[in-house]
Amino acid sequence: GIQVEQSPPDLILQEGANSTLRCNFSDSVNNLQWFHQNPWGQLINLFYIPSGTKQNGRLSATTVATERYSLLYISSSQTTDSGVYFCAVDPNSGYALNFGKGTSLLVTP
Amino acid sequence: EAQVTQNPRYLITVTGKKLTVTCSQNMNHEYMSWYRQDPGLGLRQIYYSMNVEVTDKGDVPEGYKVSRKEKRNFPLILESPSPNQTSLYFCASKRTGGPKLFFGSGTQLSVL
Repeated sequence: GIQVEQSPPDLILQEGANSTLRCNFSDSVNNLQWFHQNPWGQLINLFYIPSGTKQNGRLSATTVATERYSLLYISSSQTTDSGVYFCAVDPNSGYALNFGKGTSLLVTP
Repeated sequence: EAQVTQNPRYLITVTGKKLTVTCSQNMNHEYMSWYRQDPGLGLRQIYYSMNVEVTDKGDVPEGYKVSRKEKRNFPLILESPSPNQTSLYFCASKRTGGPKLFFGSGTQLSVL
């Protein structure tokens, strides 16, 4: 099946810093989503972005489908950004998302 | 409020004692799915359902059963739980053809 690799696995930032999270995938996809899992375990859908660029406040995402990667940018990070960020892709079936192992982010005051 | 509701939030049980984790969504979504999350492995799909009475296996279906008798409900059944099924479980739903997946709050299961 399709492989999804996220980097870095862990990241510690000071409040106010910017960061870039990367997701590489091994095959073409028709669905790519970014999720944030907060420290209480809730999974929140951040972006649906199979290609192109989207922005939502301090967060933005870019997917270059032809090169099989996606980037999640977090600007002016806040402690509430802490948690695990997952990239998930669906190659074509529409029946399942394949998740990466996540990037664990800790933002310190 | 649109949501996916799982119950219970936490569950501790013993090996072999049958249990059911319930999942309900109020968004009239056709598609529902169960995932388990384990440290270092991310989320893996257990079962999914495209609509009422239509279910299929995901990547890790062994030891689990599901049913989809009503559109809004998709319970996960562990007939004889074992310690290797200790995990964090998530139910999710979306509309057919829609890309965005909505998750429940999770069920932390411990099998002793």
